[in-house]
Amino acid sequence: ETGVTQSPTHLIKTRGQQVTLRCSSQSGHNTVSWYQQALGQGPQFIFQYYREEENGRGNFPPRFSGLQFPNYSSELNVNALELDDSALYLCASSLKRGEGPNTEAFFGQGTRLTVV
Amino acid sequence: GDSVTQMEGPVTLSEEAFLTINCTYTATGYPSLFWYVQYPGEGLQLLLKATKADDKGSNKGFEATYRKETTSFHLEKGSVQVSDSAVYFCALSDQGFGNEKLTFGTGTRLTIIP
Repeated sequence: ETGVTQSPTHLIKTRGQQVTLRCSSQSGHNTVSWYQQALGQGPQFIFQYYREEENGRGNFPPRFSGLQFPNYSSELNVNALELDDSALYLCASSLKRGEGPNTEAFFGQGTRLTVV
Repeated sequence: GDSVTQMEGPVTLSEEAFLTINCTYTATGYPSLFWYVQYPGEGLQLLLKATKADDKGSNKGFEATYRKETTSFHLEKGSVQVSDSAVYFCALSDQGFGNEKLTFGTGTRLTIIP
């Protein structure tokens, strides 16, 4: 059973650029959530994907967007990068069964994004 | 909206000391409560959880009891070890949203001195 893997581990971008972060969910999981963790803060929910559609969104602007693929992996895209987007981006996967609650979320090690 | 307030850190203790990290929450429904741990350079790991009032979560010597009357979920351990040094996050999930998003506190950095 493979865990949640994220790539790349570190990334440096210039303000105004675009970035794509990738996440492979744990085997058997069908739901992926993305979180932003600024330095010294707790993770903040960005959005969740289930059945290749956005299934809930936190207080983030539209320049944060995502995709989920048929194999349940996911991408987080951020356009027009700002200095405040510098953070650790965490991906978490879980299993959603019908209308019931999700199973435990397993987190990847994160992608450290630095915007200069 | 939902929120989690955690004891400010950092916390420094000697090995074998008693640990308490306070956590209180605000939620509109009946949330599930969690403690996550983040070791240096790693992602978050679930330490323990409780899904209803008066439930006690426990793992690796850590315990926390879901107290609805005080809206609290304090983390305790009777005798800490150097290997417990990490950042601890209290979190809640309000299942009423259906998307199971986690709302986290700001984290408490714990350092254990030999």
